[in-house]
Amino acid sequence: DIQMTQSPSSLSASVGDRVTITCRASQSISNYLNWYQQRPGKAPKFLIYAASSLQSGVPSRFSGSGSGTDFTLTISSLQPEDFAIYYCQQTYSIPPTFGLGTKVEI
Amino acid sequence: EVQLVESGGVVVQPGGSLRLSCAASGFAFDDYTIHWVRQAPGKGLEWVSLITWDGGTTYYADSVKGRFTISRDNSKSSLYLQMNRLRTEDTAFYYCTKGKGPDIGTSSSYEDWGQGTLVTVSS
Repeated sequence: DIQMTQSPSSLSASVGDRVTITCRASQSISNYLNWYQQRPGKAPKFLIYAASSLQSGVPSRFSGSGSGTDFTLTISSLQPEDFAIYYCQQTYSIPPTFGLGTKVEI
Repeated sequence: EVQLVESGGVVVQPGGSLRLSCAASGFAFDDYTIHWVRQAPGKGLEWVSLITWDGGTTYYADSVKGRFTISRDNSKSSLYLQMNRLRTEDTAFYYCTKGKGPDIGTSSSYEDWGQGTLVTVSS
């Protein structure tokens, strides 16, 4: 199985900050990388697919980049509703696997 | 609007059995590969199983292989997960998920999620 490693596991930030989360795959996954946001008590929300494509309806302050083994999720100006846990996921091979998550806190 | 509504989660003793259901609407259910994903309380996301549009192909996580069975009834737009020989580590919210596309490859990008149903395995 492909292992996904996210860093940091948590971070503290303020409204308006630029935030970057990193995800590393244990082998090359091309651009088969998705990002999800999960708010407390809610199901995950699909943010970015194919490493850098923004899902419809997701604010443009979210962006993704990377290919191969190293990927990033960037929030250009953190908003109050962005405080949540973010997960990366590879879909290069079955089983699809997730990182352990990055908690973005105030 | 796509809707996925899971049901069937309860408290069950270790070694017991349970069947989860997911009622789907708002899309052509019988075209899509559908997955189950679970999340233990306070923990991360874990893929459980998938089933292709016709039920002809299924995959399982090693952690559930031989104990869980995924199935579907396209006439009812419903997905099921039969869970046998349950263990305490199976305690989790179970989500059914629909991907961006209908095939196995695109189905793993989970565009739509249900609200989840909580399975608690405890004596």
